[in-house]
Parts: sequence; structure tokens; C-alpha cells
Amino acid sequence: NAGVMQNPRHLVRRRGQEARLRCSPMKGHSHVYWYRQLPEEGLKFMVYLQKENIIDESGMPKERFSAEFPKEGPSILRIQQVVRGDSAAYFCASSPTTGTLGGTEAFFGQGTRLTVV
Amino acid sequence: AQSVAQPEDQVNVAEGNPLTVKCTYSVSGNPYLFWYVQYPNRGLQFLLKYITGDNLVKGSYGFEAEFNKSQTSFHLKKPSALVSDSALYFCAVRDIGAASGTYKYIFGTGTRLKVLA
Repeated sequence: NAGVMQNPRHLVRRRGQEARLRCSPMKGHSHVYWYRQLPEEGLKFMVYLQKENIIDESGMPKERFSAEFPKEGPSILRIQQVVRGDSAAYFCASSPTTGTLGGTEAFFGQGTRLTVV
Repeated sequence: AQSVAQPEDQVNVAEGNPLTVKCTYSVSGNPYLFWYVQYPNRGLQFLLKYITGDNLVKGSYGFEAEFNKSQTSFHLKKPSALVSDSALYFCAVRDIGAASGTYKYIFGTGTRLKVLA
């Protein structure tokens, strides 16, 4: 059972370009989370998705950022018109459906390191 | 909203000595608590979790954590530190979402552990 797969591992974009980050959750997992980690800082929650639904996007910047988790295919985090301040490591995590219990841990991918030049 | 706090940015300990990495939490209802470790340029790896039951939880790589309800703490411990334990450690809490069966994980700011040879 492959783990959470993120690609690309490293992404370089010029200011004003678009960045697309992909995340394939573990098999059988229906919850996907995106986090951002700035250098020497902790993990900041961005968005929580289930298939075809955004459950919680309270951590997403209001502009330029969007996320989706389609019925087929990976989850995508899209950053439009990137700026230098978007440079960070972006981590995806997934967890299985456990009803209302939610006692399971989340499993993380290796991250995508975005550099905006 | 649920939250966790890691009061120490860095902890230094000599190899062979016991180590403690502190975490306190603030939750409404029963706390679901987790510890993760992050090595350089890697994703987060799950160490252990507290859901219910015994207050002393044992996890991977010889780590354990003690849940203390009266002090609202969930400190990570290891009896004898190894140089290879040097990494960034995150405490996390499950935050219950508005809709049934939805939840996300909120992370602390992280504590850098340095084990000195």
C-alpha cells in the first residue's frame, strides 16, 4: 500500500506564474488535508477536502489559492500569480473515513517545496 | 476551537539522557492527541496517539507520551535519547468539524530536539 504521494517534490516558478501541486492519498483514504510550512515555522492548516467537497477552507488565503479533490484523480492545490511569499513547503495528508470517531492519525506525503523566483 | 501549544522552540539533551518535549492542549470535549516527527526535507511521521484508556501511550522508536488531564498536557518522552532522535517534533490535536464525521488536525509550532553526542 503506497503512502501519500505528492508531486512534484520541488517546483520553481517565476512571480506571476501558476503553481499546481498534486496529492494522491493513501488507498482507501477519503479525507485530504493541505498544510503549509514556512522555513523555521510550524504547520499551518490550509484546507480539508473529501471527494468532490471542500469541508473546511478556513486556512486558505482568500485570493489566488484554490483546492479540489475530484471524484477521479489526485487532489490539486493551485496557486495563481505566485509571489515570493508563497515560497514554502506544502504538505498533503490523508486519513480514512472513521465516521464520527476520528481517532485515526493522518498520514503525510513528502511535501512539495515551492520556490518563487 | 481546539489548539495545542509547544512552549519550547528547542530542547537540547545529551545522548543517553532522558528527554521530554512538552505539549499542552486546549479542547472542548474529549481530546484526541498526536505526536509526529519530521526529519530534514521529509514529511511528518506519526509517532503515537492518545484517544482513550491508559494515560501512558507507547509509540514508535521507543517514544512514549503521558496524558495528564488535570494539567492538560501530553508530553513526549524517551528514557534514553539517541543522536538520531534529533529532529523537529510536532504535537497535534483533532479538531471536530461542523458536520458529522468531519475533523482536521491542528498542529503546534514544533520543537526542535538536538541530542548531543
